[in-house]
Amino acid sequence: GAVVSQHPSRVICKSGTSVKIECRSLDFQATTMFWYRQFPKQSLMLMATSNEGSKATYEQGVEKDKFLINHASLTLSTLTVTSAHPEDSSFYICSAIYRGGASYNEQFFGPGTRLTVL
Amino acid sequence: AQSVAQPEDQVNVAEGNPLTVKCTYSVSGNPYLFWYVQYPNRGLQFLLKYITGDNLVKGSYGFEAEFNKSQTSFHLKKPSALVSDSALYFCAVSLNTGFQKLVFGTGTRLLVSP
Repeated sequence: GAVVSQHPSRVICKSGTSVKIECRSLDFQATTMFWYRQFPKQSLMLMATSNEGSKATYEQGVEKDKFLINHASLTLSTLTVTSAHPEDSSFYICSAIYRGGASYNEQFFGPGTRLTVL
Repeated sequence: AQSVAQPEDQVNVAEGNPLTVKCTYSVSGNPYLFWYVQYPNRGLQFLLKYITGDNLVKGSYGFEAEFNKSQTSFHLKKPSALVSDSALYFCAVSLNTGFQKLVFGTGTRLLVSP
């Protein structure tokens, strides 16, 4: 149980185009999903927190107009990188928190999406 | 603000030997502490967590970690390393406030030699 999937696993796009990444909780309902960005040989940096049915909360320094997040249901959150540029190339990882249960719910991570912008 | 430090970029250990991956944290309240492992081009896999209770926490794949409040540490340990344990290990902390935002350390690469 507690499986999180991401699609696509890899994407290559041209500069100026937009790319959508999906994050799904396959066997549980996720009240909250997180989006992280990981640069090579570096740690995960939280980009935003996504709550179902409400606007995402972005971390300081993350452009909300560039990284659009939609959490339309309890099992799906999407990250759209708009007008992508080479500096947006990175490994994007989502995580989801299981709804209900223990007082503290651990994050379950997706396998990540490698974005390369040419 | 909360923070996590993993002082070692890489840890090298021979197969069969015990391993320790260090983590220290800084928070203003009671911490929730986590260890995750990441294999190349993969997401993070949960290993173990400390919320409350016994300071020694046992997790997946034979790993354990000891919470030391006085030293603000949460070192990851395993009595006998396997080559397959070679991966990137992240320590993370969250405040005991019900808000599950995690702050990650910079990661430690564990290399287990045959």
